[in-house]
Amino acid sequence: KAGVTQTPRYLIKTRGQQVTLSCSPISGHRSVSWYQQTPGQGLQFLFEYFSETQRNKGNFPGRFSGRQFSNSRSEMNVSTLELGDSALYLCASSLTGTEKAFFGQGTRLTVV
Amino acid sequence: KQEVTQIPAALSVPEGENLVLNCSFTDSAIYNLQWFRQDPGKGLTSLLLIQSSQREQTSGRLNASLDKSSGRSTLYIAASQPGDSATYLCALGGATNKLIFGTGTLLAVQP
Repeated sequence: KAGVTQTPRYLIKTRGQQVTLSCSPISGHRSVSWYQQTPGQGLQFLFEYFSETQRNKGNFPGRFSGRQFSNSRSEMNVSTLELGDSALYLCASSLTGTEKAFFGQGTRLTVV
Repeated sequence: KQEVTQIPAALSVPEGENLVLNCSFTDSAIYNLQWFRQDPGKGLTSLLLIQSSQREQTSGRLNASLDKSSGRSTLYIAASQPGDSATYLCALGGATNKLIFGTGTLLAVQP
């Protein structure tokens, strides 16, 4: 079966712009989580969605938001981009949130 | 606040050697622990998941153990191969449906 798909794979944006990242989970998985990975901070949790509801949110500013659709696909939005938002953004899916997590290949965001 | 530490941060071994990677955590109230590998610039691949009620899990040349009372997990890799070269990450799953990741161990297996 198909794995977790993230689009786009690479993005270059300018400071102040906004960006939307997409994640399609494995079929049947209803939990989707987002993580930010940087060399300095490692992997940090952004938020988790289950059945279109945000169940948990990490310690990130309100510029970071997300949503989940009825087909479990999720989008993440970052507004007013800053240089420090440059990172690899990873999404993971699981059946309900407590099982083995399957990660996508990530979206590499570069803010210039 | 849960803190997860992995030691060593980097490890270089010759091909064929058996090795152990360590993961320490401060809060034993976990649901599960997962080990992942990450190749440069890529996503994470799940290797093993240990539920909090389990002591170990095995998959091929990999064996992971969990000792909640001491706040430790180990990943044992038998007969290492160059293809095992990657960053290995442990992650704790709790009641909040999020994973808390360790700092990672960068493994290089020399042919």
